Amino acid sequence: DAKTTQPPSMDCAEGRAANLPCNHSTISGNEYVYWYRQIHSQGPQYIIHGLKNNETNEMASLIITEDRKSSTLILPHATLRDTAVYYCIVRGVSGAGSYQLTFGKGTKLSVIP
Amino acid sequence: ETGVTQTPRHLVMGMTNKKSLKCEQHLGHNAMYWYKQSAKKPLELMFVYNFKEQTENNSVPSRFSPECPNSSHLFLHLHTLQPEDSALYLCASSQDRVSSGDLTDTQYFGPGTRLTVL
Repeated sequence: DAKTTQPPSMDCAEGRAANLPCNHSTISGNEYVYWYRQIHSQGPQYIIHGLKNNETNEMASLIITEDRKSSTLILPHATLRDTAVYYCIVRGVSGAGSYQLTFGKGTKLSVIP
Repeated sequence: ETGVTQTPRHLVMGMTNKKSLKCEQHLGHNAMYWYKQSAKKPLELMFVYNFKEQTENNSVPSRFSPECPNSSHLFLHLHTLQPEDSALYLCASSQDRVSSGDLTDTQYFGPGTRLTVL
């Protein structure tokens, strides 16, 4: 799987938009960008995924650059419950034939009252 | 509530004990996974089962023994563990469609079992 680079931590004021960046400069054409989050000591929660078009669901929006080398997860109105570690994962079939999620260290988002 | 349950939620065991972790999914999925999350380390994939067949074993020590009797249940049998095996063990499930060229299955995770080995 392609590697991703995320800032280790970010702060966001409650009620403001949280924009979480992710670099994936070695992404291949058939690899998807997935976002999960993990609230302290709970199981990861799926947020959104995309290939090349921008995507939006009830939780967030995903903006993927035209060259697909980076993406941004947007939480439009952050709440205290959005405090979590956010993982950006690039997913495709590896050379070994594996097709599984590879979690990195993610971005620790702290929503401040 | 994701539709994936794990029991027990917390477990303390000695190095000579034998215990089992249980995972059940109520989503009708065909693939199930075990992950390990140690303190301050990323999640590590341990095992993958697809249609009850083990398809991946990421060099996991034999003191961890998975079992998948059907597509809804997954067990992780533990024996002679070490203190460094203390971690959060997470189960996940998905509807795997890779064989048909669809790479977009979403994994749903359970709440995890917090394991402490003394």
